Amino acid sequence: GAVVSQHPSRVICKSGTSVKIECRSLDFQATTMFWYRQFPKKSLMLMATSNEGSKATYEQGVEKDKFLINHASLTLSTLTVTSAHPEDSSFYICSAARASGLTAYNEQFFGPGTRLTVL
Amino acid sequence: GQQVMQIPQYQHVQEGEDFTTYCNSSTTLSNIQWYKQRPGGHPVFLIQLVKSGEVKKQKRLTFQFGEAKKNSSLHITATQTTDVGTYFCAGAGTASKLTFGTGTRLQVTL
Repeated sequence: GAVVSQHPSRVICKSGTSVKIECRSLDFQATTMFWYRQFPKKSLMLMATSNEGSKATYEQGVEKDKFLINHASLTLSTLTVTSAHPEDSSFYICSAARASGLTAYNEQFFGPGTRLTVL
Repeated sequence: GQQVMQIPQYQHVQEGEDFTTYCNSSTTLSNIQWYKQRPGGHPVFLIQLVKSGEVKKQKRLTFQFGEAKKNSSLHITATQTTDVGTYFCAGAGTASKLTFGTGTRLQVTL
């Protein structure tokens, strides 16, 4: 159990276009999902925390108008990179925390990631 | 903000040798988690430590949480080639938010 999927796994787009990445918890409900960004051989940087039915909480330095997050249901969160530029090229990973026992045991289940390349 | 550092950044060992990575947080943590990321893959949860001074073992892996709940370590006994990857600690603060450490990349050769 506790499988998280991401789609697409890889995307190449032209500069100026928008790209939507989906993150789904397949066999559990996730009230909270997290979006991370990872540069090659670097650590994961938390971008935002996505809560079902409410606005996402963005980390300092992350532009909320640039990285639009929507968490419309307990199993789906989306990240849209608007007007993408080459510097947005990165590995984007989502994770989901189970709906129950959130404070007692906050293991996060990670999706396989989406590699975005902006030309 | 909270910072979580790991040392070493990279270690290359021969199969059968032991390996240890150390994790230090700038702030006290409610708990600490460890993840392993294989090359080209995503982080996979290994373990969570909650109590001060806690020690947990998983086969050849031993995890420790410091008394002050600001540091942790992962020790692998007799490494195997399957242990290759980057090991991240992640400190939990509020609202389940994790701050990932800088990571230690382990290379194991025969």
